Amino acid sequence: DAGVIQSPRHEVTEMGQEVTLRCKPISGHNSLFWYRQTMMRGLELLIYFNNNVPIDDSGMPEDRFSAKMPNASFSTLKIQPSEPRDSAVYFCASIAGGRRTEAFFGQGTRLTVV
Amino acid sequence: GENVEQHPSTLSVQEGDSAVIKCTYSDSASNYFPWYKQELGKRPQLIIDIRSNVGEKKDQRIAVTLNKTAKHFSLHITETQPEDSAVYFCAASGGYQKVTFGTGTKLQVIP
Repeated sequence: DAGVIQSPRHEVTEMGQEVTLRCKPISGHNSLFWYRQTMMRGLELLIYFNNNVPIDDSGMPEDRFSAKMPNASFSTLKIQPSEPRDSAVYFCASIAGGRRTEAFFGQGTRLTVV
Repeated sequence: GENVEQHPSTLSVQEGDSAVIKCTYSDSASNYFPWYKQELGKRPQLIIDIRSNVGEKKDQRIAVTLNKTAKHFSLHITETQPEDSAVYFCAASGGYQKVTFGTGTKLQVIP
């Protein structure tokens, strides 16, 4: 398995534009997490899904952020409209489930909003 | 929800010395406590974990301890080496495997 795959790796966009980040979890994993990493706040949990269902989105900072998981192999995190303070590295992670509790992270998307 | 606090935020040690990172958590239902290491520009990766039915676990130079009563857990690295330099995150997990991370500790091992 190629692991958790995120795209794009880097994204530079202008303020006000829509940004869509993508994630493909490891096949067979039943939980998927979106994290945002900044120097000031560390790794913040934005939202997580279990069996494609959003369980907790209390970490989503504003209504500008939305996430979907239409099937077990794909998830998106959308920011509309984007703002400079959204600049961060966004990680997706997946967990197999049951007793297999290790979270496997993707390589992250570095977002810069100018 | 769960809240995980981690200290210190930065730590510098001489090569060969020990390093200790401490975390506390708030949700008594949490039962799984992993530690992740993130090297510069890379993704976090699991280095060791402990479950609530165990008080201590060791893997070569790395050990973790857990005090469920006090809701404390710690990472101990002995005989530190330059390649141990990284950011270390503690985390707590409970129902639905929700993983909440601490804010990270930047460890610098000085040769």
